Amino acid sequence: GESVGLHLPTLSVQEGDNSIINCAYSNSASDYFIWYKQESGKGPQFIIDIRSNMDKRQGQRVTVLLNKTVKHLSLQIAATQPGDSAVYFCAVPLGVEYGNKLVFGAGTILRVKS
Amino acid sequence: EPEVTQTPSHQVTQMGQEVILRCVPISNHLYFYWYRQILGQKVEFLVSFYNNEISEKSEIFDDQFSVERPDGSNFTLKIRSTKLEDSAMYFCASRLSRVTEAFFGQGTRLTVV
Repeated sequence: GESVGLHLPTLSVQEGDNSIINCAYSNSASDYFIWYKQESGKGPQFIIDIRSNMDKRQGQRVTVLLNKTVKHLSLQIAATQPGDSAVYFCAVPLGVEYGNKLVFGAGTILRVKS
Repeated sequence: EPEVTQTPSHQVTQMGQEVILRCVPISNHLYFYWYRQILGQKVEFLVSFYNNEISEKSEIFDDQFSVERPDGSNFTLKIRSTKLEDSAMYFCASRLSRVTEAFFGQGTRLTVV
């Protein structure tokens, strides 16, 4: 199976600083990873994904880093803004033997102080 | 932009009553899911559906739960006899393939009283 967990349940950062949210996964066969943002009262919203043949992928103000050796991925948010305040989840899709389900980590609350 | 839509946004029901939560996934997607989230907790997998059948279900998804895709567009979750502990946000999601992201609806807040 797959367990996905996060190192920090709550992260408080000053507006303009960079944020780093971490995630660990257990299945070395996992080949695709996703980060979601969830604002209060809303559904998870896709931020960025990465496949296992990459170790870094950049989007707009966000970067995902994948370290397959230690089964760890991180989400970096540059110049964090108040609108970035939300819960962030990493998610790992499992294979057909597990119904192709998406397993979510516990989540990190990001609080941005103005 | 295509989106997953869920109705109703909020459902209040008495314990023991049946509820049906409705979802319209993105039209060309092939994989469908229901998740639930108790307030302040993580997003929990309930069931996955592919090729017109359940492909995986969690321990939560007991005999009181069922899913249907009655036509080419709707995907429903039925809880036959609701319990207080079924109170949660229920999210529907769909994916095009195994290596693409899942798109989530805005959720149905179910309150069992």
